[in-house]
Amino acid sequence: RKEVEQDPGPFNVPEGATVAFNCTYSNSASQSFFWYRQDCRKEPKLLMSVYSSGNEDGRFTAQLNRASQYISLLIRDSKLSDSATYLCVVIRSNDYKLSFGAGTTVTVRA
Amino acid sequence: DVKVTQSSRYLVKRTGEKVFLECVQDMDHENMFWYRQDPGLGLRLIYFSYDVKMKEKGDIPEGYSVSREKKERFSLILESASTNQTSMYLCASSRRRPLTGELFFGEGSRLTVL
Repeated sequence: RKEVEQDPGPFNVPEGATVAFNCTYSNSASQSFFWYRQDCRKEPKLLMSVYSSGNEDGRFTAQLNRASQYISLLIRDSKLSDSATYLCVVIRSNDYKLSFGAGTTVTVRA
Repeated sequence: DVKVTQSSRYLVKRTGEKVFLECVQDMDHENMFWYRQDPGLGLRLIYFSYDVKMKEKGDIPEGYSVSREKKERFSLILESASTNQTSMYLCASSRRRPLTGELFFGEGSRLTVL
């Protein structure tokens, strides 16, 4: 079983829609969680950290469910520029290893 | 502006050739990483280094070696390239502590082995 798993999508949504997707992790020792964004043919860049209490950054909301071992990302009022692949990243507490998910592709259409 | 620079964006090599991929960062970061990214598999860690002359194997080190002679430079070496090493290679750097999860990536080197 992969350490971090994501629904690859693609999620095709119209502008203005809300889209949400999850990332599951298998190692209960995981301590830190992040969402990265990767545009087509570009390098990944940090989008936001995921805090235990959940957090928002503008139109983006990230949540953590430790009991079920998943994190989620919700995008409200989708823009064309939100089209990208969103990568989930998990850091383990015992060895600080970072594990990346394979990514969820979101396409926002006009 | 922070910068991680990879020496080549696109390379085409033949099976058996030796390949060097260079990465330089200007942020004085202690940690540097080499990943490969393949469709459906995501980013997989090849090697990382947390200090000059230090290196640790990642998840898929076979067929690769690395060199870190200076803090700002981390090189990935394919001693004898094979077709299954055709991939996108991404270099990244980060501070050692705290490990905030923020990695800064280079633009990537797309390697094709014929």
